[in-house]
Amino acid sequence: KQEVTQIPAALSVPEGENLVLNCSFTDSAIYNLQWFRQDPGKGLTSLLLIQSSQREQTSGRLNASLDKSSGRSTLYIAASQPGDSATYLCAVNTGNQFYFGTGTSLTVIP
Amino acid sequence: EAGVTQFPSHSVIEKGQTVTLRCDPISGHDNLYWYRRVMGKEIKFLLHFVKESKQDESGMPNNRFLAERTGGTYSTLKVQPAELEDSGVYFCASRRQGSNYGYTFGSGTRLTVV
Repeated sequence: KQEVTQIPAALSVPEGENLVLNCSFTDSAIYNLQWFRQDPGKGLTSLLLIQSSQREQTSGRLNASLDKSSGRSTLYIAASQPGDSATYLCAVNTGNQFYFGTGTSLTVIP
Repeated sequence: EAGVTQFPSHSVIEKGQTVTLRCDPISGHDNLYWYRRVMGKEIKFLLHFVKESKQDESGMPNNRFLAERTGGTYSTLKVQPAELEDSGVYFCASRRQGSNYGYTFGSGTRLTVV
């Protein structure tokens, strides 16, 4: 059974700092991995989708990496802004369903 | 394209009552999923439709939950009778056919059973 772990559970950084969120999964047999953002009381917004054959994906200030063999992904956020404050979720697609981590709650302090 | 739409956005019902949640996927997305997040836990899979057929319902908690997707368009998830532990946020997601595509999630329905 796939298990997804996200570390840290919470993170607070000053504005402008670069940061890394970590995601690990136990079964490397995945199709892809998706990073989502969730704002309080809102749905999930897809940030980046990285296929199992890819090593990284970039969108603006965000960069996601994937090391399938070691069961790890990272989400790098450059030059953080207060608007980046949200919960970030990592989800692993096994082909039949997504397995989610419990998320990292990020607070960017102005 | 329009996103995944869920309604109601919030529902408060008494224990023992019935509630029906609705999800309208993105047009053309054959795959439709229901997920649930209960307080303090991770988001967990409930079931998966491919068009109107249930592909996988292994995540459904018990027989008080019934999901349908008549005609392969929108889907409903009915909880009857609701129990306190059913409280949480119910998410719907849709995806194009093909495992390499990502998911698009709706905003969720927050269900509170009192």
